[in-house]
Amino acid sequence: EADIYQTPRYLVIGTGKKITLECSQTMGHDKMYWYQQDPGMELHLIHYSYGVNSTEKGDLSSESTVSRIRTEHFPLTLESARPSHTSQYLCASSESGKGYGYTFGSGTRLTVV
Amino acid sequence: TQLLEQSPQFLSIQEGENLTVYCNSSSVFSSLQWYRQEPGEGPVLLVTVVTGGEVKKLKRLTFQFGDARKDSSLHITAAQPGDTGLYLCAGPRTTDSWGKLQFGAGTQVVVTP
Repeated sequence: EADIYQTPRYLVIGTGKKITLECSQTMGHDKMYWYQQDPGMELHLIHYSYGVNSTEKGDLSSESTVSRIRTEHFPLTLESARPSHTSQYLCASSESGKGYGYTFGSGTRLTVV
Repeated sequence: TQLLEQSPQFLSIQEGENLTVYCNSSSVFSSLQWYRQEPGEGPVLLVTVVTGGEVKKLKRLTFQFGDARKDSSLHITAAQPGDTGLYLCAGPRTTDSWGKLQFGAGTQVVVTP
């Protein structure tokens, strides 16, 4: 049973559209993350959050934005989607402190046409 | 960035055979984690190794952390089709006080009946 939920699972949209990828977790974890995953490439961190009202950009330059108004909710928004945004987006959460493993959602496969 | 190099990139074997995948770095990690990702799903944490030289077993999977804590291996005995997936190693970045994880690119394992 998943403790972290991502919706939608698949999304095909046209260039220029605004989209929001949803991510919610029920574990009470303070830390949440958004990763981008492309075939044969390592996971790239695009956003992370240490807690409510705390968000930071990750390593990979991204035109997306995130918010953390509630502990359990960490949505990612693309104001104007482009074909270069086509990718798999993974949301994850973890307990505070070092060395804890991540719990990942099932991901959103985004295709921008 | 502390790079984690995984090898091989792809491995195809028949059911019943053994396999080993590797995760190497030039940097020391305080711990390493292994995840398995099945098609269409997010990665799932398999194990965390913490002590240099540590060996952990999870049914038919054996994980080893190198003495110098720069490398790790995953050995699967008598592989089954259910072992098919992308195996990722990850370790906390020592330059990051919050312990964000650095991921390798993964080894794609395919076990055919």
